[in-house]
Parts: sequence; structure tokens; C-alpha cells
Amino acid sequence: EPEVTQTPSHQVTQMGQEVILRCVPISNHLYFYWYRQILGQKVEFLVSFYNNEISEKSEIFDDQFSVERPDGSNFTLKIRSTKLEDSAMYFCASRRGTGADYEQFFGPGTRLTVL
Amino acid sequence: AQKITQTQPGMFVQEKEAVTLDCTYDTSDPSYGLFWYKQPSSGEMIFLIYQGSYDQQNATEGRYSLNFQKARKSANLVISASQLGDSAMYFCAMRSPSGSGNTPLVFGKGTRLSVIA
Repeated sequence: EPEVTQTPSHQVTQMGQEVILRCVPISNHLYFYWYRQILGQKVEFLVSFYNNEISEKSEIFDDQFSVERPDGSNFTLKIRSTKLEDSAMYFCASRRGTGADYEQFFGPGTRLTVL
Repeated sequence: AQKITQTQPGMFVQEKEAVTLDCTYDTSDPSYGLFWYKQPSSGEMIFLIYQGSYDQQNATEGRYSLNFQKARKSANLVISASQLGDSAMYFCAMRSPSGSGNTPLVFGKGTRLSVIA
């Protein structure tokens, strides 16, 4: 069964460093998302992406964040200068189509730890 | 604004018993979808069940069923015959297909279910 994959599974970085989190969505999916989950808290939306551009973004997704689909398969989230509060689990998700009834498939997540 | 409320931070259930996890939602959009996800200790998000706002029947998927009460804006998850492997965090989520058409999921804070042998 096709699945969303994410690398790395765990990333440790120093405050102020840039990180790139990578995702490979399911191949025939058209809509892509990044969410984050601070430890013990709810899952929060960061950004959605369709047709090579951002569709929606939350207040969390400020100028330090960017997304890219560089080669038609990978979907990346970049944090330019990490802060301690960026420590969280980051989930990538993809969806085949629009409409409320298409489920989002989540990847296993990348745990980001900022020291 | 859309909102999901899960009022039970933690629940305990005896193995083989049924359990109901509560979820209420708020949206002004007449068309929306409601989802439940399971998050085990390993961290991944596992899709369990979906209910559309126009669906006439309550959704069922194996041991999972959704008690959808539209007038009360509730979408409770019922797990029958609980198993030890059901111990996990459970999240209720909603999406209204408005705006850009790529509207994201809004999640509740989750309920931690512990199944006791």
C-alpha cells in the first residue's frame, strides 16, 4: 500500500541553524500539507501546497519557514533559523483530491529537537 | 472559525469493553468532513474513520463507529471490544471544503485512551 515517507525520523540541531525536512507524498496525490505537534499538544496546521504554490498558511508559518517541491516527488519544509520553540514533531500529509471526503494520509513524522 | 473540542483528556477502558470518545465541533460551513485519527506512542497518525456532513448513516469501519449527531454538532468515536493495542492518543479533526479548496484539517487536543487487561 502506498504511503507518505519522511526523512529524517529525528533531527537534532543548534538554535539558529537551518533545517530541511523531507517528505515523499503518495505518487498520485495532488495536495500536500505540513503540520506540527509540540510534545503533548494538538496537531497544528502550518501550510498547504497545490500546483507548485502555497494554498493556505497559518500564523505559525512565518518568514522563517518555506516549502518547496523541487523535483516533482519530494516536498520539503525549510526552517531558516531554528528557535527553541520550533522543537516539535513535523508531519507531512498528502491527499488525492478536493472535497471533504478525501482523507489525508500522514507520514510517520520527523521529530525536530532544537538545542 | 472552525473548532474541535475534545473534553476528555484521558479515558480508561477494560479490555473487550466498548468505549466512547467525545468530540464536538463548530463550523458555519454547511459542508464539512469529520475525521478520527489514532496516534500510538510511536508517533504516527493513523486514519480511522470519516463522516461527511451530508451522510445519512453513521460511519463504521470494523470495530470503529462514529456516533454523528448533526444537530448537537457532535461526532463521538465508539470503539467496540477494546484491545490492548487500542491504547493510544485519539484525535478528532474537521475540514470544511471552503476557501482555496485545499482547506487543512483542524484538530482537537486529543484523548489518551488506556486499555486495561
